[in-house]
Formats: sequence, structure tokens, C-alpha cells
Amino acid sequence: EVQLLESGGGLVQPGGSLRLSCAASGFTFSTHAMSWVRQAPGKGLEWVSAISGSGDITYYTDSVKGRFTISRDNSKNTLFLQMNSLRAEDTAVYYCARDTMIAPRGHFDYWGQGTLVTVSS
Amino acid sequence: DIQMTQSPSTLSASVGDRATITCRASQSVSSWLAWYQQKPGKAPKLLIYKASSLESGVPSRFSGSGSGTEFTLTISSLQPDDFATYYCQQYNTYSWTFGQGTKVEIK
Repeated sequence: EVQLLESGGGLVQPGGSLRLSCAASGFTFSTHAMSWVRQAPGKGLEWVSAISGSGDITYYTDSVKGRFTISRDNSKNTLFLQMNSLRAEDTAVYYCARDTMIAPRGHFDYWGQGTLVTVSS
Repeated sequence: DIQMTQSPSTLSASVGDRATITCRASQSVSSWLAWYQQKPGKAPKLLIYKASSLESGVPSRFSGSGSGTEFTLTISSLQPDDFATYYCQQYNTYSWTFGQGTKVEIK
């Protein structure tokens, strides 16, 4: 059974940093690209970042470029999102999602349960 | 970026009704379009991919159609479990975008 389990969310002050993790199980992790998708309270879904199965290709939405870094450790079946210079508008539930392809090119067939990031003083 | 626009924003319907949600793209996405269902406090669930392919395990009352810039999600006969929010998503470019969502509520 495919499982994705996010962790690392919490309350952080504006300008602060957080590192999210997503532990994957039930499939061959390195053969799937992965993405982070967020949802602000009461709002819709917003794609944030994607990474290829090997980790050599990454993409970001414009609003997080230069502040967020996506990475993965295929030996530990874990996806990461390092978030720096956090802003109030980054407040959201962050989901990790599995891409159906090894390159970040497909749709998302499995999602984690999400982890809440709150940026506030 | 490609913008995705769903209509209506809210759909009020009764059990047994046919429900139709439209998603329009600001430029062609070919057939690279997915539909997701989300219930409050839960993660999105994939329903349809490549515009009209039904994800394994999804009831056949769900169907998708369209290509290019206009797409439709149809629920042939609404069931109590179907009252939720639905999102379309394009994956034609290296910047995935979602529609704003359509809430299907009980009339």
C-alpha cells in the first residue's frame, strides 16, 4: 500500500525557516517524481515544487523561487522541502504528492495527509 | 502560466441528480488534465487523468471529457459520498496549475 507521511510543520515567525519531510513507503520511491502542493486556509490548491525521481531536475512556482528548496534522499525514501524567509502568505497545509512518472511531468495519484505551516508573529 | 477557470464555483444538487462541472484553460493543455475530489480536512483524491481516463477504484458514475481548452467532469447520479469540492489540474507545462474549485453541496 502506497503511503506518504508528512512531518515538520508548525508555527514559525516571519523570516524564519522550516524543513518539511515526507516519508514514502509501499512503492519504489526513486522511480517517481514528487511534488509539494499547498492549500491556504479556506483556499484552493497551489502547486509549489517538483523533483524528478533521481533528484536532478527541480521546478518551483515563482512565489517561492530563491526561498524554498526541494530535495530527496532515495536511500531513505524521503522527500524534503526546505523553506527559508517564510512569509505570512506561506501559511498553508503542505501536501506531498506522487507523480505518476519518473520525470516531473504527470498527474498526482497519491497524496499525503498534509502538514500545517503557520507563519505568524 | 496557464490559468484554469472552473464553473460553477458552487453547485447545489440533490442525490440522484446529474452534475456537470466545467474547466477552461487559458491556452491549450491538449489532454493533460486531471480531476480531483477533496473532502474537508482530507487530502485530494485523483478521479480522472488524461482528461477522460478513470482512475482505478473510482466509481463509473464519474466521467471526464474534453481536450484543448475546455473540459467537463460529469457525475451521472450524485451519491451522498460525492458532496465535496472538485478541482481540475493541468499538467501540460512544468508549472502545474489547479482550478479554483467547485463545491458540490446538498440542495
